[in-house]
Amino acid sequence: QAHLIQSGPEVKSPGASVTISCRPSGDTFTRHYIHWVRQALRQGPEWMGIMNPRTDERTSAQRFRPRVTMLSDTSMKTVYFTLRGLKPEDTAVYYCVEAEGVLYFGEDDDSWGQGTQVTVS
Amino acid sequence: DIVMTQSPDSLPVSLGERASIRCRSNQSLFYDTNKLNYLAWYQQRPGHPLKLLIYWASTRQFGVPDRFIGSGSETEFTLTIANLQPEDVAIYYCQQYLSTSGYTFGQGTRLEIK
Repeated sequence: QAHLIQSGPEVKSPGASVTISCRPSGDTFTRHYIHWVRQALRQGPEWMGIMNPRTDERTSAQRFRPRVTMLSDTSMKTVYFTLRGLKPEDTAVYYCVEAEGVLYFGEDDDSWGQGTQVTVS
Repeated sequence: DIVMTQSPDSLPVSLGERASIRCRSNQSLFYDTNKLNYLAWYQQRPGHPLKLLIYWASTRQFGVPDRFIGSGSETEFTLTIANLQPEDVAIYYCQQYLSTSGYTFGQGTRLEIK
């Protein structure tokens, strides 16, 4: 079901930044929004933000807002998620999810990236 | 943040029986303007991404079997799975999407076959 391609695993030191890229396996994004979700080992999901790759519309969860940047390139074929000031508790698998909806995701036509393991140590 | 709390953490149920998972929020998820509860339920099978089951607390996603029933309002919600099947073994999460500060999930309920 992974129709989005994410960048590879990252190992970072505390205080560093990480940037994850996400692009469609086809020519372009087909749904309206990209959600960013992370999941630490044996933990529940954590929603981090949402962006529209075609516009400047984006917002992140308030608790991450000072540390998160979400961008799309001018061709709208790749989106980027940056998390700054990394802490050990940011260790998780980060997913991009292409979805039609703003409020929820995970419908059958939504696409997921394969996940990017970020380890902060 | 709106805090979502699920119970139980783990739920063993026999095949063919009914499973009930509860989700509680520390703020009402009912929006009076449109009379909707801003709550979704997801299923996560091992090695798979989240699958949307229910949204608006009780609306079943297209293709989800009618054995899955969402109910509740304001701060108390339930996901009921009738006639448990082997493929229902998964972790189930509730999620609120009311807060503009960010959407939050419950900690999950692991459903297993007794």
